[in-house]
Amino acid sequence: DAKTTQPNSMESNEEEPVHLPCNHSTISGTDYIHWYRQLPSQGPEYVIHGLTSNVNNRMASLAIAEDRKSSTLILHRATLRDAAVYYCILRDPPRGTDKLIFGTGTRLQVFP
Amino acid sequence: DTGVSQDPRHKITKRGQNVTFRCDPISEHNRLYWYRQTLGQGPEFLTYFQNEAQLEKSRLLSDRFSAERPKGSFSTLEIQRTEQGDSAMYLCASSLRTGITDTQYFGPGTRLTVL
Repeated sequence: DAKTTQPNSMESNEEEPVHLPCNHSTISGTDYIHWYRQLPSQGPEYVIHGLTSNVNNRMASLAIAEDRKSSTLILHRATLRDAAVYYCILRDPPRGTDKLIFGTGTRLQVFP
Repeated sequence: DTGVSQDPRHKITKRGQNVTFRCDPISEHNRLYWYRQTLGQGPEFLTYFQNEAQLEKSRLLSDRFSAERPKGSFSTLEIQRTEQGDSAMYLCASSLRTGITDTQYFGPGTRLTVL
């Protein structure tokens, strides 16, 4: 399974944009890039996913580098509720199983 | 729909005892996953079901662990002869696999403490 590398922690102030980076230099052509987050004392929750093109949804945007070796999760205006651990995960449905392989993620702190 | 539910939310047991956890997935979700999470780590995959068939088991799932999903609805995870190393959060997730990939919806977890 392809690996991802994320910073251990990041900080932001409320209402500022946050860019959470993820490196995945060994990504294969069929790997999807998924982001999940885990709020304190809760199970993980889905944020967004993409393959090649940038993606937007109501929670965040996902910017994928042209060579797909890195991606960035963008929270446009951080709120206190966005304080969580963010996981960048590669999934290869055609070849692998559908299990999620979590790393240690990036712990995001948001200050008022 | 109330989401994925897990019962109990907390369990304290003595070493050597057996414990059983239950997961109720989102209705009509055909896939159900079990993960385990220890402090400071991301969740680790244990096993998953498609309907009632158990399709994959992690090497983390020793002989003391067994999971079932009778009739393809709720699932149970049993740990026999618990050890202190089994102390962790046990997470259940469900999904509806219809296309090339799916979104997993997680429950709140069952926190197990083995004394």
